[in-house]
Amino acid sequence: GAVVSQHPSRVICKSGTSVKIECRSLDFQATTMFWYRQFPKQSLMLMATSNEGSKATYEQGVEKDKFLINHASLTLSTLTVTSAHPEDSSFYICSARGFRLAENQETQYFGPGTRLLVL
Amino acid sequence: RKEVEQDPGPFNVPEGATVAFNCTYSNSASQSFFWYRQDCRKEPKLLMSVYSSGNEDGRFTAQLNRASQYISLLIRDSKLSDSATYLCAVINSGAGSYQLTFGKGTKLSVIP
Repeated sequence: GAVVSQHPSRVICKSGTSVKIECRSLDFQATTMFWYRQFPKQSLMLMATSNEGSKATYEQGVEKDKFLINHASLTLSTLTVTSAHPEDSSFYICSARGFRLAENQETQYFGPGTRLLVL
Repeated sequence: RKEVEQDPGPFNVPEGATVAFNCTYSNSASQSFFWYRQDCRKEPKLLMSVYSSGNEDGRFTAQLNRASQYISLLIRDSKLSDSATYLCAVINSGAGSYQLTFGKGTKLSVIP
């Protein structure tokens, strides 16, 4: 079964609105959460890395004021795309890294992704 | 040079064929290596880790060549359900940071 959930799975919004995406680790505490973006036929690009209770570290070229990340607990991280524009339309995937008893090691798992379409 | 490079394909192979994917990485200090599978419009799913000694899981065999900075995935007896994009990924960590970097993926289509 899924170990990382992501909500919503699909969003269509008007240009200028803000969109919040939630990512939850379901049966483990995620020491680190990652947010990726994938454009069609492109590889996953890391946007930011966040540790619980601290500020996210953004990759070069990713605007921290536009993509707000909150990692308030060890099982929840949110990404808010503020004032979304059509060029922000993409597949956003979160990933959580932590120790799961089932694997008996630290592993990174991906959420099912959120498809964002900004009109 | 890109950090992780793969042949984008597509690879179109008949059912039952053996197919091999290659991947090169640029950071000689990379520590961990993986193959992920991504179906159309879905998230990547871990297929297998790649160990220095090579490892096998059923029809899938992964190998690592640190000297050449190269990893491979071999799929034997291809099934229709193997059709997907295969992504190699490497972990670079250090100085308190940790990053999983993906290649662009190689698309495989297994045809009846």
